[in-house]
Amino acid sequence: DAGVTQSPTHLIKTRGQQVTLRCSPKSGHDTVSWYQQALGQGPQFIFQYYEEEERQRGNFPDRFSGHQFPNYSSELNVNALLLGDSALYLCASSLLTGRSNQPQHFGDGTRLSIL
Amino acid sequence: AQSVAQPEDQVNVAEGNPLTVKCTYSVSGNPYLFWYVQYPNRGLQFLLKYITGDNLVKGSYGFEAEFNKSQTSFHLKKPSALVSDSALYFCAVRDKNRDDKIIFGKGTRLHILP
Repeated sequence: DAGVTQSPTHLIKTRGQQVTLRCSPKSGHDTVSWYQQALGQGPQFIFQYYEEEERQRGNFPDRFSGHQFPNYSSELNVNALLLGDSALYLCASSLLTGRSNQPQHFGDGTRLSIL
Repeated sequence: AQSVAQPEDQVNVAEGNPLTVKCTYSVSGNPYLFWYVQYPNRGLQFLLKYITGDNLVKGSYGFEAEFNKSQTSFHLKKPSALVSDSALYFCAVRDKNRDDKIIFGKGTRLHILP
């Protein structure tokens, strides 16, 4: 039973470029959340997708957008990259319905470096 | 607004000694509380959670945590530390009565000395 998988594992971009990160949730999960973890910090919630729609959003600008596909996989897109976007981007999956007490399952993340 | 505080950036413990990693929280309603561990270049792994019931929660790898409502704390504990417990530990909270996002603390690095 595969857990949460993310690709790529590492990525190097330059300022102003655009990037797409991908996530496949754990089998049986229907909800995907994305987090940004800067060096030395805890994960910061970006947004959550359920039924192919953005369900919740954290304090991130519109440069951060996402998508969820019918197979529950998800993409995170970041436009007009800034140096401050350098971070580990984590994807977490869970079951949504009535289960806010359930833990999320995390992938190993994508390390994004902006030059 | 929800918040989580982990007051210690790093905790050093000798192998075999008991360990405690501190966490306090703030939510408007009743909390769901979680502890996660992160090893280098890896994602977060779930350790344990408090939902309701007994204030002492047992989790993976011999870890446990004690929920204290009056002190709004959820400290992580282990009776006897192992070198392999060295990692980054995150406390997280979600308001039980609100359909809201989970909030993580900034993390505490646990260093077990051989």
